[in-house]
Amino acid sequence: RKEVEQDPGPFNVPEGATVAFNCTYSNSASQSFFWYRQDCRKEPKLLMSVYSSGNEDGRFTAQLNRASQYISLLIRDSKLSDSATYLCVAWYNQGGKLIFGQGTELSVKP
Amino acid sequence: DGGITQSPKYLFRKEGQNVTLSCEQNLNHDAMYWYRQDPGQGLRLIYYSQIVNDFQKGDIAEGYSVSREKKESFPLTVTSAQKNPTAFYLCASSTWRQGSYEQYFGPGTRLTVT
Repeated sequence: RKEVEQDPGPFNVPEGATVAFNCTYSNSASQSFFWYRQDCRKEPKLLMSVYSSGNEDGRFTAQLNRASQYISLLIRDSKLSDSATYLCVAWYNQGGKLIFGQGTELSVKP
Repeated sequence: DGGITQSPKYLFRKEGQNVTLSCEQNLNHDAMYWYRQDPGQGLRLIYYSQIVNDFQKGDIAEGYSVSREKKESFPLTVTSAQKNPTAFYLCASSTWRQGSYEQYFGPGTRLTVT
């Protein structure tokens, strides 16, 4: 079983739609979580850190459920420019490294 | 501008040759990392370094070597022992923020070995 697992993609949605990505992690020792965005043939860029209480940044909302070992990312009012691959990432203090999920591809259509 | 630079952007080599990929950061970050990404795949950790003159193997270190002689620099050598070296190589550095490390990536180097 992968340490960080994401919904398989691709997600094809119309502009203006709300889309949610889910991610589960297997190691309960994971301490911090992030969502990264990666455009085609580019480097990943940090989108949001995920805090225990959940956090929102404009159209993006991230939630963490430690009991279920589950993280989500909600994108409201999708834009064409949101088309990318979204990577769910867990940080383990022990070992000091990030564990990346495989990514979920989002395609927003006009 | 602060950031992470990787050079070159594209690199072509013949099989059997060693090749060194450059990674430099001026963010004053202590930790640096090297990842490999294959088409349609996630990122896999090759090596990482949390302080100068120290580094640890990641999940796929075989066939690679690194050095960390300066805080700003973390070059990766892909040796001829690496069986499938063609990939997208990403360097990252990280800083401690709000109880965890946030990582920032360089633009990557696409290595093609034929």
